[in-house]
Amino acid sequence: GQQVMQIPQYQHVQEGEDFTTYCNSSTTLSNIQWYKQRPGGHPVFLIQLVKSGEVKKQKRLTFQFGEAKKNSSLHITATQTTDVGTYFCAGSAYGGSQGNLIFGKGTKLSVKP
Amino acid sequence: NAGVTQTPKFRILKIGQSMTLQCTQDMNHNYMYWYRQDPGMGLKLIYYSVGAGITDKGEVPNGYNVSRSTTEDFPLRLELAAPSQTSVYFCASRPILAGRYQETQYFGPGTRLLVL
Repeated sequence: GQQVMQIPQYQHVQEGEDFTTYCNSSTTLSNIQWYKQRPGGHPVFLIQLVKSGEVKKQKRLTFQFGEAKKNSSLHITATQTTDVGTYFCAGSAYGGSQGNLIFGKGTKLSVKP
Repeated sequence: NAGVTQTPKFRILKIGQSMTLQCTQDMNHNYMYWYRQDPGMGLKLIYYSVGAGITDKGEVPNGYNVSRSTTEDFPLRLELAAPSQTSVYFCASRPILAGRYQETQYFGPGTRLLVL
């Protein structure tokens, strides 16, 4: 079945350093979404990428969708303590069951002040 | 709008007990989902529903049952609780169409379940 792999599993950074998490799908995706989950919280939608090669920015966050629509990345510039949490990618396959999302296992980011 | 609400927030069950996790959304969303999240793991889909009266299995349905009698409510039933069902359970919903974000899911706060 469809799988979404996400690396790294953990990332510890010093405040001010950059951070990147990568997401790879075993199948071509119709779209990919990114969610953030704060410790003890629930996943919160960040962004959706739909087009091949698409790049979107939200302040210090940059999201990319690969040309083949099978991989994606999230890059955070100059991390802050408020960036702490787990970042999940979630893909929806073409012809997938009712547009259901397959979630990666997430990258847990910790930021040392 | 309250969004997606879940009750209870936390529950301890003994092996073999049963319980229902409640989920309600007030956004008139057609699609609703139940996920479980184990420590260090992503979200795994248990069941989903595309509208009142229609439910279907996800990736990990064994040991669970659902019903969808109204658009708003999507309860998850555990009949014979087992330690393997210790997890955090999230309910989510989405509309059929939401402009650019057609498949964005809105999550509830979660129910933390411990089976001993």
